[in-house]
Amino acid sequence: QLQLQQSGPGLVKPSETLSLTCTVSGGSISSTTYYWGWIRQPPGKGLEWIGNIRYSGRTYWNPSLKSRVTISVDTSKNQFSLKLSSVTAADTAVYYCARQRPDYGVPFDYWGQGTLVTVSS
Amino acid sequence: QSVLTQPPSASGTPGQRVSISCSGSSSNVGSNSVNWYQQLPGTAPKLLMYSTTVRPSGVPDRFSGSKSGTSASLAISGLQSEDEADYYCAAWDDSLNGAVFGGGTKLTVL
Repeated sequence: QLQLQQSGPGLVKPSETLSLTCTVSGGSISSTTYYWGWIRQPPGKGLEWIGNIRYSGRTYWNPSLKSRVTISVDTSKNQFSLKLSSVTAADTAVYYCARQRPDYGVPFDYWGQGTLVTVSS
Repeated sequence: QSVLTQPPSASGTPGQRVSISCSGSSSNVGSNSVNWYQQLPGTAPKLLMYSTTVRPSGVPDRFSGSKSGTSASLAISGLQSEDEADYYCAAWDDSLNGAVFGGGTKLTVL
């Protein structure tokens, strides 16, 4: 059974960079079948797609986040990571990593447990 | 402001049938399949329906999905207390080249 385990700090200072890692077990992140993505959910609000990385290594992100997003993969550790730079209080949210199928509606079929990241000094 | 539009709340009594709507545009719901997620309090979303009408293994057949044009619906028949949760629709958006979500619907079982 595939599992995604998230790690990273729960508190980030304004203007600094948020960094989260998602470690995949029960399957290979090198698979050419899937995308690996990040979604966030501000407290009490809905879900927002942040971006994903495809098996080609190419990344795509939500234009609303402009160029602040970096998503990378470390195949040796079977994990992928998110970096969000120049954070503000508006970036406070629960961040989820997830596997995304590139077909049949491109669903997020496996999710990490979520990490609450608070942006505060 | 979410790209897909859902009613903020829905409710029903045990055994009833309820439906949750999801409205989008030609670049997302109108041209791609719709997925639905169920989120219980304090937990990560769970895939409930994909490719508009397909239930992942383990999801009861009380849940069904449909789509017409730029609108989609999730129906729950034989409502049970454990169905009380937030439900989100989502779709691939060809203009964004990414996923878009609805704002979520809080389902209350009275």
